[in-house]
Amino acid sequence: DGGITQSPKYLFRKEGQNVTLSCEQNLNHDAMYWYRQDPGQGLRLIYYSQIVNDFQKGDIAEGYSVSREKKESFPLTVTSAQKNPTAFYLCASSRYRLEYYGYTFGSGTRLTVV
Amino acid sequence: QKEVEQNSGPLSVPEGAIASLNCTYSDRGSQSFFWYRQYSGKSPELIMSIYSNGDKEDGRFTAQLNKASQYVSLLIRDSQPSDSATYLCAVNDPGNQFYFGTGTSLTVIP
Repeated sequence: DGGITQSPKYLFRKEGQNVTLSCEQNLNHDAMYWYRQDPGQGLRLIYYSQIVNDFQKGDIAEGYSVSREKKESFPLTVTSAQKNPTAFYLCASSRYRLEYYGYTFGSGTRLTVV
Repeated sequence: QKEVEQNSGPLSVPEGAIASLNCTYSDRGSQSFFWYRQYSGKSPELIMSIYSNGDKEDGRFTAQLNKASQYVSLLIRDSQPSDSATYLCAVNDPGNQFYFGTGTSLTVIP
């Protein structure tokens, strides 16, 4: 079955440490997205990529980095510069003509700072 | 910053009743509107989408859109306890991304 796989499901980060969240899709979707969800807040866009080797900052990109070397993969690195990284991170992908098809979401990664 | 507003709730309805969820948006250029359901601790799943003014029905769900009023709603008929979840309204920024509301928490009481 096609879908989006996020790993790990739970991740613990120590202060000052960089961590990388994995997102892989086998839907042949062109665009991929990273969102952050905090309690009581909506999903906020961190980065998105519409084609390989190209990506754009979203509304809250500071303290995060991404790469898109393959169509299937869009990993997110949470750097030590992100001061409040504890949140639920969601990866999504979409077909061409996003406005008609919407997003397919992965199962999410819950990141906690310890 | 494009705004998508939802009543955060919680909204409680008895089993079998109609649940009405509302959403307003700020960008008049928005073209498409999606409703997602999110169970606690899980990722959002698509319920339905709407693009044109009026009503769109899919089983127990009806989406309503009024572009002049910049308003979209979701009605859930014959509500079931399994409908208890947070419902997210998503509004398309043409061609680029979706903006999400904070979600409305729905509880269906048996």
